[in-house]
Amino acid sequence: AQKITQTQPGMFVQEKEAVTLDCTYDTSDQSYGLFWYKQPSSGEMIFLIYQGSYDEQNATEGRYSLNFQKARKSANLVISASQLGDSAMYFCAMREKKAGNQFYFGTGTSLTVIP
Amino acid sequence: DSGVTQTPKHLITATGQRVTLRCSPRSGDLSVYWYQQSLDQGLQFLIQYYNGEERAKGNILERFSAQQFPDLHSELNLSSLELGDSALYFCASSVGWSSYNSPLHFGNGTRLTVT
Repeated sequence: AQKITQTQPGMFVQEKEAVTLDCTYDTSDQSYGLFWYKQPSSGEMIFLIYQGSYDEQNATEGRYSLNFQKARKSANLVISASQLGDSAMYFCAMREKKAGNQFYFGTGTSLTVIP
Repeated sequence: DSGVTQTPKHLITATGQRVTLRCSPRSGDLSVYWYQQSLDQGLQFLIQYYNGEERAKGNILERFSAQQFPDLHSELNLSSLELGDSALYFCASSVGWSSYNSPLHFGNGTRLTVT
C-alpha cells in the first residue's frame, strides 16, 4: 500500500483565494511526522510545514496551515490568499518513528494560481 | 536558503561516462540523503548516511555508489551512465536519523543530462 497518497495531480486556484491540497497517509505507528514541501519550476525543494502525530493543534506557518485529521489519516495543506508565486508542485511526506530514518513522499500536486 | 550545498548545478555528459555529485549538509546535520527525481518516477530515495555510515538503501542501482566523509560532506558517484539516468539529483540533510519530527532540508539539486 502507498504510504502517502496525493490524489490531485493538478489544481487551479484564483489569485487571493484559498486552496486545499489533499494528502492521506498510511501508518500503524503512533509516532510520526507529516511534512509539506514546495517545488517551484526552478526545481528546489522548500520545506513548508510540519505536523507531529501527537500535536493537538493544527500547524500553521504564515499563509500555510495543515488540516490534520488523525482518525481519517489525512494531512491536507491549506494555502490562504493565494499568490502567483504559489504556483508550484507540492509534495506531502511522512516520517515514521518505527522506520527510523525513512521518508515517504507522495507523487505531488501541481498548483497553478490564475491571476 | 536551506543551508545544503550541492555542486555542480548542471552536468551534461555522454553515455558510458562517470560523474560525481557533491553535497555539503547544513551545519549540525549528521544525516545525508540522496534522491533522484525524474519526470516519470517522482522522487526516488537512493541512499542515506548518518555520521559517515550507510543507514538505509533505496532504489539505488549497482552502477551508483555514495559515501559520506569525516567532514560530513557526501558524494554520489554515477558510472556507466545511460540516457535514463538523466534526472534531477537532490541531496538533503537532517539533524538525526531517528527523529521523526525532523524535516529534510534539500539542496538545490544537480540536473544531470546524459546525451
